[in-house]
Amino acid sequence: AQSVSQHNHHVILSEAASLELGCNYSYGGTVNLFWYVQYPGQHLQLLLKYFSGDPLVKGIKGFEAEFIKSKFSFNLRKPSVQWSDTAEYFCAVKDSSASKIIFGSGTRLSIRP
Amino acid sequence: DAGITQSPRHKVTETGTPVTLRCHQTENHRYMYWYRQDPGHGLRLIHYSYGVKDTDKGEVSDGYSVSRSKTEDFLLTLESATSSQTSVYFCAISDRGTGAGNTIYFGEGSWLTVV
Repeated sequence: AQSVSQHNHHVILSEAASLELGCNYSYGGTVNLFWYVQYPGQHLQLLLKYFSGDPLVKGIKGFEAEFIKSKFSFNLRKPSVQWSDTAEYFCAVKDSSASKIIFGSGTRLSIRP
Repeated sequence: DAGITQSPRHKVTETGTPVTLRCHQTENHRYMYWYRQDPGHGLRLIHYSYGVKDTDKGEVSDGYSVSRSKTEDFLLTLESATSSQTSVYFCAISDRGTGAGNTIYFGEGSWLTVV
C-alpha cells in the first residue's frame, strides 16, 4: 500500500529564511504528487501538483517542489518565507491508476516575524 | 473555491448516539471523499465514492458508514459515536479519479466533539 512520510513535524524559521519541507512516498508505479496548505482555521488549499513532465513544479505564492523519482521524494521549497506562510503543509500522493489520495501527517510551519 | 458545503459545521454529541455529516457539491464531480484530521496523523481517508451508490473503504473506516444516493450528496454516518471519533471531518471532491489531471478540492470542515 502506498504511504507518505513527512519527517518534519514542526519547523520554525525567521522571516526571509529559506524553506525546504521533506516528503517521501512509497509506491513503485506512476504517481501524481501534491502539496496542500492549511492556514489556521481554514480548509486545505492546493499549492502545487505534479503529474508528468518537468520535475520542477512551480506553485502559488512562490512555492516550488522537485520530484526526484530515484529518491521517491517531492520536497517543497521557498527561497524566502514570510510571516503569512505560517500554516500546516501536507504532502499527498495518488497512484495514477487509483482513485484514492493519501496524505502525509503534515508539517507545521511557524514563522517568527 | 469549489462548490462544497458541509453540514453541520460544528456539532457536540453524546457517546453512543448516531451522527450524520452531509457533504453537498455543486460541481457534478464523480469522486467524493471523507477524511478526518487529527493532530499528528494528518488527514486519513475514511470512505470514498466513485459514483452514485459506489463506495469503498479508506484507511480508517471502522465505526463509519457512507451513502451516496445522488451525485451531489455524500453522507457520513457514525453509527454509535465514541470519544475517539472527536475530530475535524473534511469532505473532498475530484473530477477524475484515475489518470493524470486529478486534483482534489476540500470543503471547510465539520468539527465534531463526542462527549
